[in-house]
Amino acid sequence: KAGVTQTPRYLIKTRGQQVTLSCSPISGHRSVSWYQQTPGQGLQFLFEYFSETQRNKGNFPGRFSGRQFSNSRSEMNVSTLELGDSALYLCASSLGGGSYRGYTFGSGTRLTVV
Amino acid sequence: DAKTTQPPSMDCAEGRAANLPCNHSTISGNEYVYWYRQIHSQGPQYIIHGLKNNETNEMASLIITEDRKSSTLILPHATLRDTAVYYCIVREETSGSRLTFGEGTQLTVNP
Repeated sequence: KAGVTQTPRYLIKTRGQQVTLSCSPISGHRSVSWYQQTPGQGLQFLFEYFSETQRNKGNFPGRFSGRQFSNSRSEMNVSTLELGDSALYLCASSLGGGSYRGYTFGSGTRLTVV
Repeated sequence: DAKTTQPPSMDCAEGRAANLPCNHSTISGNEYVYWYRQIHSQGPQYIIHGLKNNETNEMASLIITEDRKSSTLILPHATLRDTAVYYCIVREETSGSRLTFGEGTQLTVNP
């Protein structure tokens, strides 16, 4: 079956702009989580969506937001981009529900802010 | 979630077993040990998880000490493609989605 698909793979944006990243989970998976990975901070949890509702959020400013559609596809948005937002953004999907059984990650979107 | 401690780097010869240790001395009774790995510029990949019994799958074996304060991930016959950062994560099964990644261990498999 198809894995987790993230688009685009690479993105270059200018400071002050906004960006939207997309994640299509594995078919049947209802939970989508987003992570940011930078050399300095490592992998950090952004938020999780399950059945179109955000049910967990990491410690990031309000410039980072997301949503999930009825088909479980998810988008995350970063507004007023800063140089420090340059990172690999990873999406992970799982069946969700009350029991965690492992995530499948996508290959990520590499965002560069100049 | 309990904190984990891993060596920053390890080397292994191709074809030999790679044994990656993880210390989780503050683990609580309902927390599982999970292992993920991340090959350069790819997303993390789930390897294996366990509660207190040793576990084995097609990728690796997980050995958890009897007091559960530490564990070892074993790759029985390491290949060059196993070169990656390996993360040991401790969490409750029902604690929601958040995975707390530490710095992991950079495993380099040498020819």
